[in-house]
Amino acid sequence: DQQVKQNSPSLSVQEGRISILNCDYTNSMFDYFLWYKKYPAEGPTFLISISSIKDKNEDGRFTVFLNKSAKHLSLHIVPSQPGDSAVYFCENKLVFGAGTILRVKS
Amino acid sequence: DTAVSQTPKYLVTQMGNDKSIKCEQNLGHDTMYWYKQDSKKFLKIMFSYNNKELIINETVPNRFSPKSPDKAHLNLHINSLELGDSAVYFCASSQLRTDTQYFGPGTRLTVL
Repeated sequence: DQQVKQNSPSLSVQEGRISILNCDYTNSMFDYFLWYKKYPAEGPTFLISISSIKDKNEDGRFTVFLNKSAKHLSLHIVPSQPGDSAVYFCENKLVFGAGTILRVKS
Repeated sequence: DTAVSQTPKYLVTQMGNDKSIKCEQNLGHDTMYWYKQDSKKFLKIMFSYNNKELIINETVPNRFSPKSPDKAHLNLHINSLELGDSAVYFCASSQLRTDTQYFGPGTRLTVL
């Protein structure tokens, strides 16, 4: 069974600095990983994804890196903005990580 | 226009009651899902339907019964509600099963 783990429950970052959110997985098959962002009292919204044939995918301030040998992916947000404060989930094959609460301080 | 909508947004009910949550998507997607987010904030897949057919049924009590009258709707009926059913339930849809999912706003169910 696929497991997706986000071991950092929360992260606090100063506005303008880089936020790095991490995710580990167990399944090694060809795959597609997604990051979602969730504000309180709303449903998750898609942020960025990466296919396992790539090492990196970039979209504006958001970049996701995939390290297949370590079975690890990370989401980089730079520069971080107060509006980025939310819960971030990584997902693979309908399995979600526990989420990381990001707080960006102004 | 709201892409994925759920009703009601809040639902407070007594133990033992039967309740339904409705979900509709206007994205033309073929696949719809129900997730449960428990008190520890874990998002767990419960069911998935593709073109009105059940394709995923995780370990969920029989008291939970999804119904898909057409591919734009996936409703969740819960019988004999228990305290442990209190959670936020999210509906979602996607074009393909491994594709980006679009989530509804959630239904917060509180069982007293």
